[in-house]
Amino acid sequence: QVQLRESGPGLVKPSQTLSLTCTVSGGSISSGDYYWNWIRQPAGKGLEWVGRVHTRGGPNYSPSLNSRVTISRETSKNQFSLKMTSLTAADTAIYYCARETWVSGRNSVLIDYWGQGTLVTVSS
Amino acid sequence: QSALIQPASVSGSPGQSISISCTGSSSDVGGHNYVSWHQQHPGKAPKVMIYDVSNRPSGVSNRFSGSKSGNTASLTISGLQADDEADYYCSSYTSSSTWVFGGGTKVTVL
Repeated sequence: QVQLRESGPGLVKPSQTLSLTCTVSGGSISSGDYYWNWIRQPAGKGLEWVGRVHTRGGPNYSPSLNSRVTISRETSKNQFSLKMTSLTAADTAIYYCARETWVSGRNSVLIDYWGQGTLVTVSS
Repeated sequence: QSALIQPASVSGSPGQSISISCTGSSSDVGGHNYVSWHQQHPGKAPKVMIYDVSNRPSGVSNRFSGSKSGNTASLTISGLQADDEADYYCSSYTSSSTWVFGGGTKVTVL
């Protein structure tokens, strides 16, 4: 059974950089046709896709966050991470990591596993 | 990319059927069949209920079904039950190799 767990600081000051890590167990982040995603949710609001990185390393980012976000893999630790710069209060949210699985020769895709989420508050 | 459009709320009585719409554009919902629906109970992580417009993952009740016409996808819940009360989000892959979510729909079981 694949499990994902987010970790990182719960409180970050405005203008600083957020660093979050997702530790994956029950499967390797460097094999298979998977993307490893970050998705966030402000309190009481909807889900927002942040970005993802493939098992072979290629990232994709949300156009609205592209200039501030970097997602990378640490294969030796079976982890992937999110770095977001120039934080403001609008970045306060629960941040989820999630696995996206492509099957059937890329004719099918689903986000099948999610972490439990970690709350990040941006405040001085 | 703009968020997909969903109604803010939908309600129904136990045993009834309800549908939730999700409207996008030809760059996302209308461009392919990579549309999913996710259920989220309060304080919990989302759970995929439908993927590829109409496929159910193993373990998801057949009371949940999905469809699509043009730029609008729909989720139907039949035989509504108390535990179906939750927030539901659609998501779609886009022509830019990104994902976009809908704003979410709160389902209330009367």
